[in-house]
Amino acid sequence: DAGVIQSPRHEVTEMGQEVTLRCKPISGHDYLFWYRQTMMRGLELLIYFNNNVPIDDSGMPEDRFSAKMPNASFSTLKIQPSEPRDSAVYFCASSLLAGPGSTQYFGPGTRLTVL
Amino acid sequence: AQKVTQAQTEISVVEKEDVTLDCVYETRDTTYYLFWYKQPPSGELVFLIRRNSFDEQNEISGRYSWNFQKSTSSFNFTITASQVVDSAVYFCALSEDTGRRALTFGSGTRLQVQP
Repeated sequence: DAGVIQSPRHEVTEMGQEVTLRCKPISGHDYLFWYRQTMMRGLELLIYFNNNVPIDDSGMPEDRFSAKMPNASFSTLKIQPSEPRDSAVYFCASSLLAGPGSTQYFGPGTRLTVL
Repeated sequence: AQKVTQAQTEISVVEKEDVTLDCVYETRDTTYYLFWYKQPPSGELVFLIRRNSFDEQNEISGRYSWNFQKSTSSFNFTITASQVVDSAVYFCALSEDTGRRALTFGSGTRLQVQP
């Protein structure tokens, strides 16, 4: 079975540009998570969805960030406008609806560089 | 609030040595879940193990073993007879039964295994 798929794997853009990161969760998984990894803050949750509905977006840094999940097999994380401090690795993860503590499986990540 | 501490920032060993990675956690929940993930140089996050708070039995998987002690709030990870391929950053993470379903990650321990 395919794991979590993310695209692009690398993105280099200039400050002020819009960036869209994409994620396809593991088929059948009901939860989808977006995390960000930076040297300063480590791995931190941005937002997560249950059955395509955003449940907790308290980790989204500011209004420049938005995430959507239009269907069970696709999610996007958009940054508009991007800033150099947004440079990080963005991970998508998914898990089954199997009660609390269900294992989250991570995609390969998207390395974003904002110049 | 939940917290995970990995006090060892970096560990360097010579191949075939045993090495233990420490993880100490804080939570107010009585039901919680602990995880270890591996992040090799290629960057992806690989799930290694999940343990719930009611199961204090130690676990062994090949060269990997985990020691869970509720009395000291620790969930340590030991690699026996380390190999160069074990070189990676290892993250300990915690998920509580209530509240956010997100994983709270420690800051990670970078393990370098020298040939």
